[in-house]
Amino acid sequence: DIVMTQSPDSLAVSLGERATINCKSSQSVLYSSNNMNYVTWYQQKPGQPPKLLIYWASARESGVPDRFSGSGSGTDFTLTISSLQAEDVAVYYCQQYYDTPYTFGQGTKVEVK
Amino acid sequence: QVQLQESGPGLVKPSQTLSLTCTVSGDSYGSGSYYYNWLRQHPGQGLEWVGFMSDSGSPKYNPSLKSRATISVDTSKNQFSLKLSSVTAADTAVYYCVRDNVASGTGSFDSWGQGTLVTVSS
Repeated sequence: DIVMTQSPDSLAVSLGERATINCKSSQSVLYSSNNMNYVTWYQQKPGQPPKLLIYWASARESGVPDRFSGSGSGTDFTLTISSLQAEDVAVYYCQQYYDTPYTFGQGTKVEVK
Repeated sequence: QVQLQESGPGLVKPSQTLSLTCTVSGDSYGSGSYYYNWLRQHPGQGLEWVGFMSDSGSPKYNPSLKSRATISVDTSKNQFSLKLSSVTAADTAVYYCVRDNVASGTGSFDSWGQGTLVTVSS
């Protein structure tokens, strides 16, 4: 199985400041056939199912605010919230879609400082 | 706009079989665009992929479930089902029905049900 490891487990950021979450895969998730990294990011608020934010490591899902961005390639990926808003308080998960079983990181809890 | 709704017993006894159904509205199975997955989330923990049913009717499962899971489809009702046998307390979780946008090639779970909590306890 591909292991996805996120860091940190939690972080507290002031409103309007940048939040950065890292995700490392145990093997490359870059598909050579289309040069796409199969990493997806989700946001989960309490009592709700996860919501798709980013796919292909850096493509923003329709309707997702542009303060959310994804980057990285191969085995190292980052989700950045450029200016934290109160409604961004949530747990964020990375996931690999490169191979089954699809696997997720352990989650990063983002709070307001 | 697709909607997914999980249903089933919220309490299952140890060693019995957990049975859940996902009713899909706003999409038709067999369209060639989507796979339907089951995922679960243990209380206060992360997400685990259970398995999917492909458009061709071929399921695939997480090996960690050691062949206890069975996913099936009832096309006449637009429903997908999950059966998990020989459950233990470790199977207590919120179970989600999730759509995989296969046709887009994006590798993304773009629609989720609200989830249903299943507790395994005597």
